[in-house]
Amino acid sequence: GDSVTQMEGPVTLSEEAFLTINCTYTATGYPSLFWYVQYPGEGLQLLLKATKADDKGSNKGFEATYRKETTSFHLEKGSVQVSDSAVYFCALRSDSNYQLIWGAGTKLIIKP
Amino acid sequence: DTAVSQTPKYLVTQMGNDKSIKCEQNLGHDTMYWYKQDSKKFLKIMFSYNNKELIINETVPNRFSPKSPDKAHLNLHINSLELGDSAVYFCASSHLGGTVNTEAFFGQGTRLTVV
Repeated sequence: GDSVTQMEGPVTLSEEAFLTINCTYTATGYPSLFWYVQYPGEGLQLLLKATKADDKGSNKGFEATYRKETTSFHLEKGSVQVSDSAVYFCALRSDSNYQLIWGAGTKLIIKP
Repeated sequence: DTAVSQTPKYLVTQMGNDKSIKCEQNLGHDTMYWYKQDSKKFLKIMFSYNNKELIINETVPNRFSPKSPDKAHLNLHINSLELGDSAVYFCASSHLGGTVNTEAFFGQGTRLTVV
């Protein structure tokens, strides 16, 4: 079945460091890919998405490119801030049954 | 206006009690979900309703029973609560019908603590 694998956390970085959180997926067909962010004490909210190969999603300085050849959707940000500390979830939506499949989440800690 | 609202936000109760969590969405979506998030932040789908019909029913104890009176509401009733039910429960909604499929929108979560 479809699955999403993302790097284990926590990931701890200093402010202004470069961020990469890896996400790879297994799916048949052409799924849509998402990154969600969960700030402490809150629900998940969509950070960015890509619906077809080579699409780049971007928001709030974060970017991720849908790479079908490597089945990846890695999240990147050039210069992180303390306010980016949160849990980040990679997810896919199957194009056959529209089920959402979630990664395990990666906790990001940014130190000043 | 809150797009997906769930109540209560916090729920502390004793083992053996029965409790309900309510969820409402005002986005006009046709699909609603219940997720359980454990202490390690792992997100597990429990149920999903599409146009009031159950479409996902993962392996959860039958003490958990969802009810969808209409497309905008999905409530979760839990009987005979156990310590292991302590978690954060999230309601979410999305639109799967027609030519537009949206991402999922989440409520703020209900932190359930069973003592």
